[in-house]
Amino acid sequence: QQQVKQSPQSLIVQKGGISIINCAYENTAFDYFPWYQQFPGKGPALLIAIRPDVSEKKEGRFTISFNKSAKQFSLHIMDSQPGDSATYFCAASSSGGSNYKLTFGKGTLLTVNP
Amino acid sequence: DTAVSQTPKYLVTQMGNDKSIKCEQNLGHDTMYWYKQDSKKFLKIMFSYNNKELIINETVPNRFSPKSPDKAHLNLHINSLELGDSAVYFCASSFDRGSYEQYFGPGTRLTVT
Repeated sequence: QQQVKQSPQSLIVQKGGISIINCAYENTAFDYFPWYQQFPGKGPALLIAIRPDVSEKKEGRFTISFNKSAKQFSLHIMDSQPGDSATYFCAASSSGGSNYKLTFGKGTLLTVNP
Repeated sequence: DTAVSQTPKYLVTQMGNDKSIKCEQNLGHDTMYWYKQDSKKFLKIMFSYNNKELIINETVPNRFSPKSPDKAHLNLHINSLELGDSAVYFCASSFDRGSYEQYFGPGTRLTVT
C-alpha cells in the first residue's frame, strides 16, 4: 500500500522554466510534509517542508503548495537551473503516536537542460 | 566535518556471506535510522533507534540486525546475503524521535553477486 503517490516519475525542463512535482496522500493523520533533494551518489537532504495549517510556503525559488481538502501537495521550482537536476522525494509523517516515521513518495528525476 | 558518515561506501560480496555496514553521526542527535533504496530509487525505512533503543522495526527479514552501541553509532549486520539485498543503504539521524528533519549519510552501495 503506497501511502504517498508522487508524479511524474521523470521531468525534463528547460533552464529558466518552472518545474512542478505533485504528491497525493491517503492518511489524514499526516501532519508534516517535507521535500527531499537527492543528487547522484549522495544521500537525500531536506529541501523544504510544510505543515497543513498553511496553504503555501516559499523558500527562494522553491515553493510548496498544499491542498488539505484534496490531500495533495506540490513542489514548484521557479527559474529552474541545471544545478537543480536531481531526484526529488516528497514525504509525509504523522505526529500521532510516539514514532515519527517518514513515508516517502517514489521520487521524481528532474533534468534541467541548459 | 562529516555529519553522518557510513563505511564502507561500496560493498561487493557473494550470496550467502555475512556483512556489516557502520554508521556514525557527530550531530549529537538522539535518533538514528536505516533506509534501503532500491534500484528504482524507492526509499523505505527499515529500522530506527532512539538513544540506543529500537523504536521502529519495519517488515524486514530477520537476516538484518541493527545494533546501536551508543547513540552516535548505528550498525547494520546482514546475514546470509541474497541477490535481492543489492541496494543502497542509507543511515540517517534526527535531533530526537519527534524531530521531522532527518540528516542522511552518503549511502553504502551493496552489490550481491
